[in-house]
Amino acid sequence: GENVEQHPSTLSVQEGDSAVIKCTYSDSASNYFPWYKQELGKRPQLIIDIRSNVGEKKDQRIAVTLNKTAKHFSLHITETQPEDSAVYFCAASRGGSQGNLIFGKGTKLSVKP
Amino acid sequence: SAVISQKPSRDICQRGTSLTIQCQVDSQVTMMFWYRQQPRQSLTLIATANQGSEATYESGFVIDKFPISRPNLTFSTLTVSNMSPEDSSIYLCSGVFNYDEQFFGPGTRLTVL
Repeated sequence: GENVEQHPSTLSVQEGDSAVIKCTYSDSASNYFPWYKQELGKRPQLIIDIRSNVGEKKDQRIAVTLNKTAKHFSLHITETQPEDSAVYFCAASRGGSQGNLIFGKGTKLSVKP
Repeated sequence: SAVISQKPSRDICQRGTSLTIQCQVDSQVTMMFWYRQQPRQSLTLIATANQGSEATYESGFVIDKFPISRPNLTFSTLTVSNMSPEDSSIYLCSGVFNYDEQFFGPGTRLTVL
């Protein structure tokens, strides 16, 4: 069945460094790839997304890249801050269907001051 | 982003009982979903809540255990029936806006004794 793999499961960086989280997906019909940030005890928050007709998207310190041929996409956070510490989930749309997402297992990011 | 609320925020229930969780969105959405999130785990889709018709369940989830209603475009309920300790989890609803942007409710933390 469809699958989204996410690496690494944990990531520790020093404040100011960059962090990169990578995901691969199996469904070639996937066309929407959101990223969520979840702080402890809170709901997942949509932080950035990318659609299949775009290779890269940037929003301030956050960027996402997509390689449809290789079926992988990545989240890049630059100039990390302690408040970036959270669990990050990638997701891919299932079969191009609206809203039906398959989530990765998550990456726990720790930013040390 | 839209405002999505859930109630109750948490509950402790006895084995064999049922709990109904409500989800309210402050604007009309095209799609609503229900997810389960075990502690320190990823999100698992339970079902798509269809307005005016039966929900569409994912593999491993059945209507008798998780009946869902969606009487209009802004409201849905999920019932966890005949509960056992294995049902202890966080249950989240979500709504889809702008075709595919998906936002989550704050979650309902369920503990079954």
